[in-house]
Amino acid sequence: EIVLTQSPTTTAASPGEKVTITCLASSSVSNMYWYQQKSGASPKLLIYSTSSLASGVPDRFSGSGSGTSYSLTINTMEAEDAATYYCQQWSSNPPTFGAGTKLELK
Amino acid sequence: QVQLQQSGAELVKPGSSVKISCKASGYTFTSYDMHWIKQQPGNGLEWIGWIYPGNGNTKYNQKFNGKATLTADKSSSTAYMQLSSLTSEDSAVYFCARGAYWYFDFWGPGTMVTVSS
Repeated sequence: EIVLTQSPTTTAASPGEKVTITCLASSSVSNMYWYQQKSGASPKLLIYSTSSLASGVPDRFSGSGSGTSYSLTINTMEAEDAATYYCQQWSSNPPTFGAGTKLELK
Repeated sequence: QVQLQQSGAELVKPGSSVKISCKASGYTFTSYDMHWIKQQPGNGLEWIGWIYPGNGNTKYNQKFNGKATLTADKSSSTAYMQLSSLTSEDSAVYFCARGAYWYFDFWGPGTMVTVSS
């Protein structure tokens, strides 16, 4: 199965700061998907097909990448963005998730 | 709007089985895969499998073969997952999630299963 390695594991950002989360795949994947999970809640789709914003997601979020390296960027951190972020692939079975990146508000 | 309503928390004994439910509304239940995903406390997400309610087809993560059984009731738009021979390793939150091509676009709130004697 494809292993997804996220970095950093934990990070903190001040309001207005730019945040980048990286997801490295153990084999090349055609697309990456990103989810946001706030404490005590279920994951919410943020980005699909590497760079497309899910419905209702603010445009300060963006995704990019190809092959084995993908990233999620928050252009200007807001307090409500404090959460854990997961990448996910389904280029091969089974679909797998990264271990998550916890983003805290500084 | 799409909603997935899951059954309540379960406290079950080791060696027993549990069946949790996921009632869908706001879309055509038989037209989308329903997936199940496991999250252990402090851990990441693990895909268990999917069922296509339209015809009952299923596919499982090999790791969960023999552990999870997925079913669906078209008449009530409800998907079910039965977990058998429960151990402490099965203690987790289990999410149902609607499938959209290669990702999961709507998630249920999760059902916590605690395995303890």
